[in-house]
Amino acid sequence: EVQLVESGGGLVQPGGSLRLSCAASGFTFSSYDMHWVRQATGKGLEWVSAIGTAGDTYYPGSVKGRFTISRENAKNSLYLQMNSLRAGDTAVYYCARDFDGWAFDIWGQGTMVTVSS
Amino acid sequence: SYELTQPPSVSVSPGQTARITCSGDALPKQYAYWYQQKPGQAPVLVIYKDSERPSGIPERFSGSSSGTTVTLTISGVQAEDEADYYCQSADSSGRVFGGGTKLTVL
Repeated sequence: EVQLVESGGGLVQPGGSLRLSCAASGFTFSSYDMHWVRQATGKGLEWVSAIGTAGDTYYPGSVKGRFTISRENAKNSLYLQMNSLRAGDTAVYYCARDFDGWAFDIWGQGTMVTVSS
Repeated sequence: SYELTQPPSVSVSPGQTARITCSGDALPKQYAYWYQQKPGQAPVLVIYKDSERPSGIPERFSGSSSGTTVTLTISGVQAEDEADYYCQSADSSGRVFGGGTKLTVL
């Protein structure tokens, strides 16, 4: 079964850091671009970062310079290092597999990140 | 990056047809994708490349495109179709989602 399982969420103070992990199974992880997408409670979806099979990375302006996406193919794992966290970063963070070069076909169940003092 | 605009809500009775629109200036040049999200669950891809349906998605889900607007159509709406629906596209700066439309089945 194709599956993505996120972990690492929790409560962190403003200005703090957190590292999210995503464990992939059921497919050849190294062959796929991967993404992080977040969703604040009651709000819409927001793409957060992407990493290509060659390790190239992409970010929207809202997180560029603060978040770092990485992957470890030998462990079938995706990561998101989040620094200088703000209240506005509070959200459920989903790991997602790239589809068609433009979209997402497999999603994890999400991990909650709360930034609050 | 550009914006995708969806109506906040659409309501239909069971068995009727629901149409959810998504507008964006880049849509004539970029494909659109649609996701269904039920409360407490991750999104599910229901339409890709404007009008293609992934395996396992019921035939009542269809998509179309005309100019700067794409439309998700759900024919013969069922109670289980009540959910939030998001359109999504991409440009050189990344992936973009619409604000989402809550479909209510009356």
